[in-house]
Amino acid sequence: GAGVSQSPSNKVTEKGKDVELRCDPISGHTALYWYRQSLGQGLEFLIYFQGNSAPDKSGLPSDRFSAERTGGSVSTLTIQRTQQEDSAVYLCASSPQGPQTYEQYFGPGTRLTVT
Amino acid sequence: KNEVEQSPQNLTAQEGEFITINCSYSVGISALHWLQQHPGGGIVSLFMLSSGKKKHGRLIATINIQEKHSSLHITASHPRDSAVYICAALPSYNTDKLIFGTGTRLQVFP
Repeated sequence: GAGVSQSPSNKVTEKGKDVELRCDPISGHTALYWYRQSLGQGLEFLIYFQGNSAPDKSGLPSDRFSAERTGGSVSTLTIQRTQQEDSAVYLCASSPQGPQTYEQYFGPGTRLTVT
Repeated sequence: KNEVEQSPQNLTAQEGEFITINCSYSVGISALHWLQQHPGGGIVSLFMLSSGKKKHGRLIATINIQEKHSSLHITASHPRDSAVYICAALPSYNTDKLIFGTGTRLQVFP
């Protein structure tokens, strides 16, 4: 069956531009997560959605970052006025329900390069 | 100090060897995950456990809640096991977000 998909797979943008990253979770999965992995660094939690609601936005690095989820399905992570330190791989994951009881299924990631 | 620590950071082995990767955490947890990140970057969930032991093929994960420690074992290692193995804890104080270890890079040589 279809897994988690993300688009684009690669994005190169100039400093100061806005970018949108998209995640399509596995159909029927109510929980959706965004993570970031900077070069040579570990994974970092950004935000978690249960349905269309984000109970925890504490991982978003700054107010330039925002995320939304519509229809309990597709999610978009938006970075405004990108900076070079935003360069990273952005990973999306989904699970059937919340994080306490289910393993997470990861997408292939979007590699963002800010020049 | 990170709330989740892994050791070793790097590990090399000969094919067939028994591998152990360790994960220690300093907070109370609801669950602990083991993930595998392939050289191409894709991440696969191997185990989620909150007590005892789980086994899947040649992989075994154990957790000791009292000692705040988990181990991932690979029996009869194979070059295709070469990957980064990541443990991640779901803390009891915030069950919405995983806290990740820095990963263990494993290389298995034929």
